[in-house]
Amino acid sequence: AQSVTQPDIHITVSEGASLELRCNYSYGATPYLFWYVQSPGQGLQLLLKYFSGDTLVQGIKGFEAEFKRSQSSFNLRKPSVHWSDAAEYFCAVFMYNTDKLIFGTGTRLQVFP
Amino acid sequence: SAVISQKPSRDICQRGTSLTIQCQVDSQVTMMFWYRQQPGQSLTLIATANQGSEATYESGFVIDKFPISRPNLTFSTLTVSNMSPEDSSIYLCSVAAPGVGAHGYTFGSGTRLTVV
Repeated sequence: AQSVTQPDIHITVSEGASLELRCNYSYGATPYLFWYVQSPGQGLQLLLKYFSGDTLVQGIKGFEAEFKRSQSSFNLRKPSVHWSDAAEYFCAVFMYNTDKLIFGTGTRLQVFP
Repeated sequence: SAVISQKPSRDICQRGTSLTIQCQVDSQVTMMFWYRQQPGQSLTLIATANQGSEATYESGFVIDKFPISRPNLTFSTLTVSNMSPEDSSIYLCSVAAPGVGAHGYTFGSGTRLTVV
């Protein structure tokens, strides 16, 4: 069955440190992949997306993600985290055979000054 | 991308009552989606609402509990019926822009529902 896994429920980093949030998917075809961020009390904002082509995609707020087909992964990275990045991050896969967007369980990022 | 207005933003309701959540989009969209986000959980798709047809519900969700209307291409409502405390969640509507692969999905800011 199609699924999205985010192994890390909660991550804490210091401001200025680098960040990597993991995402693994299970899907029979090449997926459309997304990362969303949800700040406290807010809706979801799209950070970046991958459909095809260059496997390293750039997003907003200085985030990037790399699609690795061999590892079925789409990890989110940021070289230097800011306190305002504290939020919940969701990886999602769009299954174009069913027109559904499936979310991972999310990773809560906490940033210490 | 589309802009979504979702109302109410939050509500506290008595058990046994019903709440209707509205989702207004600033452009015409074919597909609208309703999600539930239980406390501390991820988003779960409730149903897909297409204009002019019955909504399609996911496993575990039924029309009697979550009736959906989609009267036109810019508006939808989700009703949470006969509420219990277990229905306390954030409910979000989402739309897929034409050529969803290129634009992704846009989400409303959500309705935070507390049932007491």
